[in-house]
Amino acid sequence: AQKITQTQPGMFVQEKEAVTLDCTYDTSDPSYGLFWYKQPSSGEMIFLIYQGSYDQQNATEGRYSLNFQKARKSANLVISASQLGDSAMYFCAMREGRNTDKLIFGTGTRLQVFP
Amino acid sequence: GAGVSQSPSNKVTEKGKDVELRCDPISGHTALYWYRQSLGQGLEFLIYFQGNSAPDKSGLPSDRFSAERTGGSVSTLTIQRTQQEDSAVYLCASSLGVSGGAETQYFGPGTRLLVL
Repeated sequence: AQKITQTQPGMFVQEKEAVTLDCTYDTSDPSYGLFWYKQPSSGEMIFLIYQGSYDQQNATEGRYSLNFQKARKSANLVISASQLGDSAMYFCAMREGRNTDKLIFGTGTRLQVFP
Repeated sequence: GAGVSQSPSNKVTEKGKDVELRCDPISGHTALYWYRQSLGQGLEFLIYFQGNSAPDKSGLPSDRFSAERTGGSVSTLTIQRTQQEDSAVYLCASSLGVSGGAETQYFGPGTRLLVL
């Protein structure tokens, strides 16, 4: 079974609109962390936002927010007021448990922002 | 301050040759990770270092792959007798190394390996 599932291979959004990128995860460990990274065409992986499994509130970082629904095991990324520079691949990742620091990545969603 | 650096940025090699990929982590980061990203795919974990030790090597795909880290800093990923399926982008990341926390991994630009 996939640990991290991103069901949207591609998404389009108009500039200044909000967009939600979906991510579901699978783990039986009560302690885990969820991350979102952005990968522009240049190839670098840019950290966006983090949500811990015990965090009571949804994480927010500027225009990025994470819609964390623990019971549904989903951690969707919401980008508000999209900009042309947001066009990139977006990866959801999970750190599972307290005894490991490795990240398990989803297959990514390609977001294209159009004027 | 400087981020994670990797060299070379691109490497083309012939099948059967050995290659070495280098990673310089962020200064002060004790944890270092290697990942592989095949074309159009997500990242696949290879190996994790804490200091000079590798407590998790579970992602290395075969015994042709090895990695070491010296002085708690630079790491080298070696692929022996390269195969065409080894063609991928190899990404290195580092983090502070405080286990169990909201450890953010900072990635380097990657090495694009092409095996002909």
